[in-house]
This record gives sequence, structure tokens and C-alpha cells, in this order.
Amino acid sequence: QVQLQESGPGLVKPSQTLSLTCTVSGGSISSGGYYWSWIRQHPGKGLEWIGYIFYSGDTYYNPSLKSRLTISVDTSKNQFSLKLTSVTAADTAVYYCTRGGTYFFDYWGQGALVTVSS
Amino acid sequence: QSALTQPASVSGSPGQSITISCTGTSSDVGSYNLVSWYQQHPGKAPKLMIYEVHKRPSGVSDRFSGSKSDNTASLTISGLQAEDEADYYCCSYAGSNTLVFGGGTKLTVL
Repeated sequence: QVQLQESGPGLVKPSQTLSLTCTVSGGSISSGGYYWSWIRQHPGKGLEWIGYIFYSGDTYYNPSLKSRLTISVDTSKNQFSLKLTSVTAADTAVYYCTRGGTYFFDYWGQGALVTVSS
Repeated sequence: QSALTQPASVSGSPGQSITISCTGTSSDVGSYNLVSWYQQHPGKAPKLMIYEVHKRPSGVSDRFSGSKSDNTASLTISGLQAEDEADYYCCSYAGSNTLVFGGGTKLTVL
């Protein structure tokens, strides 16, 4: 059974960089056939796709976040990561990491609340 | 890339059937059979219920079914049960390796 777990600071100051890591267990990121995504949910709001990465390192980003976003993968640690720069209060959200198939998300982490505040 | 349109809320009584719509455009829902649906209970992570318009993952009840017509996808839940009360989100491939979600629908079981 694949499991994903987000980790990282729960509080980030405005204008700084939000960094989260997703650790995958029960399956290898390197096995291929899947893509690894980040999705966020603003408090009381809907879901927003952030971007995804293949084990090869190929990345695809939400155009609205692309200029501030980097998603990377560390296959040796079976982890992938999210970095979002120049954050504002609008980036306060629960961030989920997921495994994806053909443009769907079949395994989700429990989510990590990140609050942007001074 | 605009969010897909879902009704804010739907409701039904136990045993009834309900349908949640998800309206996009010819650039997303209308162009690809790559619509998925997610169920989210309060405080929990979303759960995949339907993928590729109508396919059900292993373990998902056959009371859940999906379909698509033109730019609108639909999720139907038959034999409504109290445990089905949750938020439901649709998601579609939107071309150029991007995806877009709907705004979500709150299902109330009366």
C-alpha cells in the first residue's frame, strides 16, 4: 500500500519561501508509470492543482504559479519536494502530495497546513 | 485556465439518486476523457472515486458512476447513504500537461 507523508514548516513569513517534502513509502518513485503531484486547498475552499513531476525529473506546473514554483525529486530518498517563493497570505492552505495515474490522483498524503504570517 | 463549474450544493434522501454536474469547456472536459471525481469528508484528504470519466478504482462502491456529454461531466450516486455526505470535486485534464479542478459540491443527505 502506497503511503505519502508531507513534512515541512507550518508557518512561513510573507515574502519568504515555502518548502515542503513528501516522503513516499510502500512503493518506489523510480518505478515509473506515475507522476507525483502537489495540490493545495485554501481554508474552506476548493482544490487547486499546483504541479507534478515524473521520476525522470520532468515537471509541469500550474501556469498561475509557475513563476514562483519548483518541484523536484530525490529518488535516492524516495521523496519529492515543493518550493514556492515570495509567498503571501494567499498561499495559506493545506498542501497535499499525491501519486497520479493518467491525470488522476489515486493516493494522497494527509495534508500539511502551511500558514503565511509574520 | 478557469475552474470547472459545479453546483455549490446538492441534497437527497437516503435511498435516492443524485447527480452532480461539472461543466468545463471544449478545451478541457469536452476534449478529453480524463475527468476524475474525488470525495472529501471534513478534515480528511480527498479520495478518488471515478477516473477517466467512468472508471471506478478498486474498492469504490458501484453506487458511484460517472459520465460525460460534451463539455459537462456528471457523477451519479445511487442508493444514497448517510456516509456519502461529503464534498465532491471534479478534475479534468486541460491540455499542455495541466489539470483543473471544479469548485466543489457539498452533498447533504437529508
